[in-house]
Amino acid sequence: KAGVTQTPRYLIKTRGQQVTLSCSPISGHRSVSWYQQTPGQGLQFLFEYFSETQRNKGNFPGRFSGRQFSNSRSEMNVSTLELGDSALYLCASSSYIGGGVLTFGAGSRLTVL
Amino acid sequence: GIQVEQSPPDLILQEGANSTLRCNFSDSVNNLQWFHQNPWGQLINLFYIPSGTKQNGRLSATTVATERYSLLYISSSQTTDSGVYFCAVDNTGFQKLVFGTGTRLLVSP
Repeated sequence: KAGVTQTPRYLIKTRGQQVTLSCSPISGHRSVSWYQQTPGQGLQFLFEYFSETQRNKGNFPGRFSGRQFSNSRSEMNVSTLELGDSALYLCASSSYIGGGVLTFGAGSRLTVL
Repeated sequence: GIQVEQSPPDLILQEGANSTLRCNFSDSVNNLQWFHQNPWGQLINLFYIPSGTKQNGRLSATTVATERYSLLYISSSQTTDSGVYFCAVDNTGFQKLVFGTGTRLLVSP
């Protein structure tokens, strides 16, 4: 069974640009969540989707957005990039609507110059 | 919101030693998971353990939900156990995990 796949793995952007990250969950998993990891703030919840609906959102500005498609694949977008957006962005999937084991992808490492 | 504290922050062991990592949380939870982050950044799920005790090879975990703490035991440590261990909890029912700051483990040969 394939794991959670995130693309791209590494990317470099400049301030003011936007970026889109993609996540393909484990087959059959309908819950996809996103986390940001930085040295200063640690691992922080961004948002969670289930059946194309955003069910919960973390404390991030509106520049951070996401969506989920009917095949459960998810994308997150960050617009007007700032230096502080440099981070490892992790996607995770779960088969249960309210809990259960969370399986993470390898992450997308974003550097903003 | 719920607070998660992990201790110790850093741990250095000789190969073969045993260790106990602790996670304290400030409110009741319906979801608690332990993860290992390897040097390449990959988060590996070790246990889903909102209560009770589980074992998987050299690793075991115990969560005492009524006292709001969880313990991760590593026995006969190996160099491949090095990395950062995170405890994460949720009490919203929406997989909104709150992560602790982690325990950084270094196992030397």
